[in-house]
Amino acid sequence: DIVMTQSPDSLPVSLGERATINCKSSQSVLDSSSDKSSLAWYQQKVGQPPKLLIYWASTRESGVPDRFSGSGSGTDFTLTISSLQAEDVAVYYCQQYYTTPYTFGQGTKLEI
Amino acid sequence: QVQLQESGPGLVKPSQTLSLTCAVSGGSVNSGDYFWSWIRQSPGKGLQWIGYIYYSGTTYYSPSLRSRVNISVNTSRNHLSLELRSVTAADTAVYYCARVSAFSSGGHDYWGQGILVTVSS
Repeated sequence: DIVMTQSPDSLPVSLGERATINCKSSQSVLDSSSDKSSLAWYQQKVGQPPKLLIYWASTRESGVPDRFSGSGSGTDFTLTISSLQAEDVAVYYCQQYYTTPYTFGQGTKLEI
Repeated sequence: QVQLQESGPGLVKPSQTLSLTCAVSGGSVNSGDYFWSWIRQSPGKGLQWIGYIYYSGTTYYSPSLRSRVNISVNTSRNHLSLELRSVTAADTAVYYCARVSAFSSGGHDYWGQGILVTVSS
């Protein structure tokens, strides 16, 4: 299985600040035929299912605010929230879909 | 708007079989554009992918659960089902069904609200 490791486990930030969450995969998730990394980011608020934010490492899902951005390729990825809003308090997960079994990172809790 | 809704017993005894259904509305499980996943989340823990099914009936399961799990699809009733046999307390979790694109995004774009299943005697 591909192991996904996120850092940090928790991230205290202030409103309006930039938040950066890292995700590292134990092997490359780059699809050489498409030159795209099979990596998604999700946001999960308390009592809710995860919400897809980013796929192909950097493509924003429809309706997701542009303060959310994803970057990286191969094994190292970053989710950036450019200016934190109160509604962004949540746990964020990365997930690889390069190969089955799909695997998730352990989550990063964003705290204000 | 695609909606998914899980249903089933909230309490299962150890060694028995956990059976859940996911009703899909606003979309069809018979679409070749999507896989349909089951994912679980133990209380206070992270997310574990259980497996998915394609409309044709082709399935892929997590190796850690493969010996105990079965996912099926009912195209006439537009729902998918999960069976997990010989459950233990470690199978206590919120179980989600979710849709994932077979060709484009690869991310799970629609999720059910989830159903908490507790394994206890």
